[in-house]
Amino acid sequence: AQTVTQSQPEMSVQEAETVTLSCTYDTSENNYYLFWYKQPPSRQMILVIRQEAYKQQNATENRFSVNFQKAAKSFSLKISDSQLGDTAMYFCAFMKVQGAQKLVFGQGTRLTINP
Amino acid sequence: NAGVTQTPKFQVLKTGQSMTLQCAQDMNHEYMSWYRQDPGMGLRLIHYSVGAGITDQGEVPNGYNVSRSTTEDFPLRLLSAAPSQTSVYFCASQRSPGQETQYFGPGTRLLVL
Repeated sequence: AQTVTQSQPEMSVQEAETVTLSCTYDTSENNYYLFWYKQPPSRQMILVIRQEAYKQQNATENRFSVNFQKAAKSFSLKISDSQLGDTAMYFCAFMKVQGAQKLVFGQGTRLTINP
Repeated sequence: NAGVTQTPKFQVLKTGQSMTLQCAQDMNHEYMSWYRQDPGMGLRLIHYSVGAGITDQGEVPNGYNVSRSTTEDFPLRLLSAAPSQTSVYFCASQRSPGQETQYFGPGTRLLVL
């Protein structure tokens, strides 16, 4: 079975700073996807970024980028020039390519951006 | 294109009552799923469906039933609600197995007294 671990329950930074959220996972699969989802106070789950395990290049989406280390089973999220609207819970998630498309989530990191 | 919709937004039940949480998507997605989110935890998979007429259990299926008679709808039934089912429930859909992005509905907050 796959597991996802987020070791930082809470983080807080000042607006415009850069922040990195950590995620590690455990799997015996070779082909899979990794995701970061954002959950603001509205509770809506919003996809931030995704990474295909077969791609060596790290995914980027505007101010959001990942550091994907497949051998170390690490998948961190970097938010550059943080904004007040980035305040939210952030969840790391894993999904196998083959078989049932089950998302396995970490426990989440509560990120607060301070003005 | 409304995406994934869920009703109701909030519901209070008494122990032993039954109810159905509705989920619909208008994106013609084959794959749909239900998750629950408890305080301090990530989402956990309850049931999922890879197409009309096909459902299977996830990580925490006990106390819940599902059916998938159409591509668009995937209701979740609580047959006899228990306080342990107090949670926030999310429905998600995905174009097809292997298409990697799941899109989530806004969630239903359920309180069982």
